[in-house]
Amino acid sequence: DIQMTQSPSSLSASVGDRVTITCRASQSVDRDLNWYQWKPGKTPKLLIFAASSLQRGVPSRFSGSGSGTDFTLTISSLQPEDFATYYCLQTYSALPWTFGQGTKVEIK
Amino acid sequence: QLVESGGGLVQPGGSLRLSCAASGIIVSGDHIFWVRQSPGRGLEWVSVIYSGGPRYYADSVKGRFTISRDISKNTVYLQMNSLRIEDTAVYYCARERAGTRFLDPWGQGTLVTVSS
Repeated sequence: DIQMTQSPSSLSASVGDRVTITCRASQSVDRDLNWYQWKPGKTPKLLIFAASSLQRGVPSRFSGSGSGTDFTLTISSLQPEDFATYYCLQTYSALPWTFGQGTKVEIK
Repeated sequence: QLVESGGGLVQPGGSLRLSCAASGIIVSGDHIFWVRQSPGRGLEWVSVIYSGGPRYYADSVKGRFTISRDISKNTVYLQMNSLRIEDTAVYYCARERAGTRFLDPWGQGTLVTVSS
């Protein structure tokens, strides 16, 4: 199975900050990497697919980059509604698809 | 959208059947996944039923869980037998539109607690 290592596990940031979350795969996943936002009581939300494609309706302050084994999710200017937990998911391999451990973004 | 139901409290060794009811999605035309989330194991893929019918399971649930679908009800089910404490989790269903390699949308999840 492909292991996904996400970092940091948590971070504190202020509104307006630039935030970067990274995800590293144990082997190449090409560009088959998604990013999701998780909020308590809400359905998980797809932000980025294919490493850098912005899902429809997602604000442009979210962006993704990377290929192979190293990927980044960037929030260019953190907004109050962005405080949540973020997960990467690799969909390159045959099953099982595997998730990162998550990054909780908290208010500083 | 997708709406899960059927979670609850069950004793070890017991059974539960989860449902994933779809609207605006044809369950026989897309791939429907079950994913679970627990504090100890994080997010974990559990099972999938592909549009063409093949079904696959994580090693941790193989032989105990069965995925199926009812086209007339546009619903996917996860029958969970021989439940273990480590199966305690929030269970989500999610759709992969064939060939897109991402999951969207997801349901809101249903909590399964296995405890004596």
